[in-house]
Amino acid sequence: DTGVSQNPRHKITKRGQNVTFRCDPISEHNRLYWYRQTLGQGPEFLTYFQNEAQLEKSRLLSDRFSAERPKGSFSTLEIQRTEQGDSAMYLCASSRPQTVGYGYTFGSGTRLTVV
Amino acid sequence: GENVGLHLPTLSVQEGDNSIINCAYSNSASDYFIWYKQESGKGPQFIIDIRSNMDKRQGQRVTVLLNKTVKHLSLQIAATQPGDSAVYFCAENINSGTYKYIFGTGTRLKVLA
Repeated sequence: DTGVSQNPRHKITKRGQNVTFRCDPISEHNRLYWYRQTLGQGPEFLTYFQNEAQLEKSRLLSDRFSAERPKGSFSTLEIQRTEQGDSAMYLCASSRPQTVGYGYTFGSGTRLTVV
Repeated sequence: GENVGLHLPTLSVQEGDNSIINCAYSNSASDYFIWYKQESGKGPQFIIDIRSNMDKRQGQRVTVLLNKTVKHLSLQIAATQPGDSAVYFCAENINSGTYKYIFGTGTRLKVLA
């Protein structure tokens, strides 16, 4: 069990560019979540997958954001035409196939800076 | 040291003292709560959880108390150590069939040597 892995750890991009982040969950976890965390705030839910199906999306996930989990394993989060307001830590988490309990295992996040 | 509510986002305690971090949650329908610890540059780490049918749960050096009447959650850390320095978040899950959590703003705990 190597934990939840996120790449890259840091990304600096110019406004208007597209960026893509990757998350590799714990292998036996079928649920995968993306959260966004701005400085000094708690994480905010973005979206959730069960296997390859995206079951819920937050209103925070504008049409510039898209998340995929094509084979039910790793997931990607893409932001198109980045804006300065997109600067944040993007956290991925995974959990076991069970009802709510024991929380998630979070990765260390990808910190995005839009300049 | 005790932090009442989220108006004091930083709690400083002497090493060896007990810490109490408080959280007011938002939804009376929430039925499951977690405390997370987040160290600089890392993702949140699970500390302890509690279901709404309980009012107290103890772990190793940590205790969570739940008061549903006033929608209040607290985390008590006994014999606080330097390694406890971090930001602590409470998170609530609303029993709506989803698996998302709503996180509080967080409290920074500083342990003074």
